[in-house]
Amino acid sequence: NAGVMQNPRHLVRRRGQEARLRCSPMKGHSHVYWYRQLPEEGLKFMVYLQKENIIDESGMPKERFSAEFPKEGPSILRIQQVVRGDSAAYFCASSRRTGTNYGYTFGSGTRLTVV
Amino acid sequence: DQQVKQNSPSLSVQEGRISILNCDYTNSMFDYFLWYKKYPAEGPTFLISISSIKDKNEDGRFTVFLNKSAKHLSLHIVPSQPGDSAVYFCAASAQSGGYQKVTFGIGTKLQVIP
Repeated sequence: NAGVMQNPRHLVRRRGQEARLRCSPMKGHSHVYWYRQLPEEGLKFMVYLQKENIIDESGMPKERFSAEFPKEGPSILRIQQVVRGDSAAYFCASSRRTGTNYGYTFGSGTRLTVV
Repeated sequence: DQQVKQNSPSLSVQEGRISILNCDYTNSMFDYFLWYKKYPAEGPTFLISISSIKDKNEDGRFTVFLNKSAKHLSLHIVPSQPGDSAVYFCAASAQSGGYQKVTFGIGTKLQVIP
């Protein structure tokens, strides 16, 4: 009964490289949400996906960031040409339905460091 | 535009005493409120929630109070224990684009002193 699995836990990238963050939702959960936590800030919504569909990407930066949740496999958050300002903790959450009576289940996060 | 505000970045409480964490919101469309707890190097975990039609919800040592007229909610932990030391995020949800969108505050770091 694994929870939300995120990998890698830590990722170091040089400026200009690509970062790929993976998230496998809880079994039976088909809704995936990505949040970013910058140093000294709260959790900022980035994107909400269902299988093969992006439902809400209003929190995604317009450039360099993309997300997908394919029919098979984990959800991927992709950051191209990373810059120092992308250094943050990226959390994925999942839910069985969109109702929030019982909250989301979060993964442990991926800590991205851009050097 | 910070729709969910946690104005106290940190709070220290003696073990056994009550911890009160506060949260204010600006969006009157929020219809569900949640509290999450986060330990270092871990993801947030859901703690307790309350519907906007209620003014109190209790779960063991944790009670959430909602004052809709003041757009204010608070989390009470009594008695506080050292294991409660963590960052607490207040969150609120509202219908947006066909789903319940959750907005988080910036968190309050609680330290319970033995």
